[in-house]
Amino acid sequence: DAGITQSPRHKVTETGTPVTLRCHQTENHRYMYWYRQDPGHGLRLIHYSYGVKDTDKGEVSDGYSVSRSKTEDFLLTLESATSSQTSVYFCAISHGLAGAGVQTQYFGPGTRLLVL
Amino acid sequence: SQQGEEDPQALSIQEGENATMNCSYKTSINNLQWYRQNSGRGLVHLILIRSNEREKHSGRLRVTLDTSKKSSSLLITASRAADTASYFCATSKNSGGYQKVTFGTGTKLQVIP
Repeated sequence: DAGITQSPRHKVTETGTPVTLRCHQTENHRYMYWYRQDPGHGLRLIHYSYGVKDTDKGEVSDGYSVSRSKTEDFLLTLESATSSQTSVYFCAISHGLAGAGVQTQYFGPGTRLLVL
Repeated sequence: SQQGEEDPQALSIQEGENATMNCSYKTSINNLQWYRQNSGRGLVHLILIRSNEREKHSGRLRVTLDTSKKSSSLLITASRAADTASYFCATSKNSGGYQKVTFGTGTKLQVIP
């Protein structure tokens, strides 16, 4: 998984609680992404980062926030978890901005989150 | 709706047969990529084809792109049990200065030994 780890790998939480997922990379890639994967929807972009402290929203950002204080770490926070946020969350990295030129994304192993 | 839609949603073949998966999209793109996802794992990049290319090969993989029909196909020749996975297309296009990458819903391939 290209030097990308995600923690935790599995989490069960209750509605209304805050949850933070961590993505850590050892590749020194500039761009980092958070996706969620749900049946029938493929992968959908939540937020992405184009540098330390530089982040932007994806297509499904409501209810999520992110932070990137170091190149290697990108945190995704569910401020108040809801059952609709039950999903598998994937972190990805790319050397350049994904889509521009030939920038390939490398994915982490995923975090399975269940919100009860 | 999804920029990339794969079909079929599921495909089951015998080892040694060829597997073909298709991806259709709705708007112009800069490039299209195919990824594979083994069960419980992250996506792994397979191949990229640019909008000005029509065909690309990588080992047992052959990708075609028809921009007039807004469609792409991924052919896996001489399939192996290890090819069992889900396959996703991902399109990229300009969107307000940002290159937006959109993944399809995937084709689940089962190769029977």
